[in-house]
Amino acid sequence: AQSVAQPEDQVNVAEGNPLTVKCTYSVSGNPYLFWYVQYPNRGLQFLLKYITGDNLVKGSYGFEAEFNKSQTSFHLKKPSALVSDSALYFCAVRDIASGGYNKLIFGAGTRLAVHP
Amino acid sequence: SQTIHQWPATLVQPVGSPLSLECTVEGTSNPNLYWYRQAAGRGLQLLFYSVGIGQISSEVPQNLSASRPQDRQFILSSKKLLLSDSGFYLCAWSGSPDPQGYTFGSGTRLTVV
Repeated sequence: AQSVAQPEDQVNVAEGNPLTVKCTYSVSGNPYLFWYVQYPNRGLQFLLKYITGDNLVKGSYGFEAEFNKSQTSFHLKKPSALVSDSALYFCAVRDIASGGYNKLIFGAGTRLAVHP
Repeated sequence: SQTIHQWPATLVQPVGSPLSLECTVEGTSNPNLYWYRQAAGRGLQLLFYSVGIGQISSEVPQNLSASRPQDRQFILSSKKLLLSDSGFYLCAWSGSPDPQGYTFGSGTRLTVV
């Protein structure tokens, strides 16, 4: 079965330090991977996606993610965290079996807290 | 450009009352539409998805139903709300068949009292 895991419930980082939010996946075939961010009482916002091509994907708000096929990971990174980055982050993988339904499988979410 | 509208933003309903949440998409045709519920501010549970007018697929049997009366309109309903229906409901759309991600609405906070 296809799945995505976010092993950390919460990540704490000091402002200005680099941050990493982890995501691992399990799919058959080539994965389509996504990161979303959610601020309190808001919908999810798209950050970036990996479909094919370069393993390092750059997205919104200075975030980037590295696709690692051998480790089946797609960790979200940012060189210098901001307090305003504090939010809930979701990793997702496209359910290949869903075909034209384009269903996404979401991880449980990781809460990022950036401290001043 | 494409936009998605979801309303109301918040709703407080008594147990046993009916529910109707609406989601509309602008700027695209024949979108895939999805309803998710988020409990306790964490994980997302896919409730329903639709690939066309009148076509509804349910992921989890429950007290809710969905309808798609028009191409860009997706409605989540219940005849009688339960306390357990409380949560944050999110509508989303995607194009098909390209491997696109989703665009989410702003969500509806439903509290059943």
